[in-house]
Amino acid sequence: GENVEQHPSTLSVQEGDSAVIKCTYSDSASNYFPWYKQELGKRPQLIIDIRSNVGEKKDQRIAVTLNKTAKHFSLHITETQPEDSAVYFCAVRGTSYGKLTFGQGTILTVHP
Amino acid sequence: DSGVTQTPKHLITATGQRVTLRCSPRSGDLSVYWYQQSLDQGLQFLIQYYNGEERAKGNILERFSAQQFPDLHSELNLSSLELGDSALYFCASSPREAGELFFGEGSRLTVL
Repeated sequence: GENVEQHPSTLSVQEGDSAVIKCTYSDSASNYFPWYKQELGKRPQLIIDIRSNVGEKKDQRIAVTLNKTAKHFSLHITETQPEDSAVYFCAVRGTSYGKLTFGQGTILTVHP
Repeated sequence: DSGVTQTPKHLITATGQRVTLRCSPRSGDLSVYWYQQSLDQGLQFLIQYYNGEERAKGNILERFSAQQFPDLHSELNLSSLELGDSALYFCASSPREAGELFFGEGSRLTVL
């Protein structure tokens, strides 16, 4: 089955800095790559996603880049704010219907 | 509010017992997914249904079973519970098999 590796497992930055989280996947047929944010005790919420026919997508301070050849994609958060502190999960949809395979998560802490 | 409803929100039970978790998907969504999130763990895929039919299965234990009913709500049954089954169980739904996943608030199961 699909294997998704996410790094780093923890990331600590100062407010205003940028944060980058990277994921690699194993199935070259994968076609959908979302990122979810989960605050403590809450449900995961989609923050941005990208499909395999696009190399980059941006939404205000958040961007995702995809390198299909290398089978990796990254989440970039610029001008981080304390409210960005949460666990971020990458996910991959391969060829097995709609299920998403998630990475292990990155705990992002933004210090004021 | 994602529109996905899960009950109960919290459940405390003893080893060896059986529980049923319920999920009502967003109106019109045909796909339902179940994920398990243990402490310090990512989101582990359990099972997916689409319009009443099982579509994909993850590493779901034989003690666990699920179904999706004609009205599209789903139930996850966990039996012969063990301490290690303590976790947050999320249900998610999507309008079709390739759409965005919308997560419910989760059911927190504690096995004592």
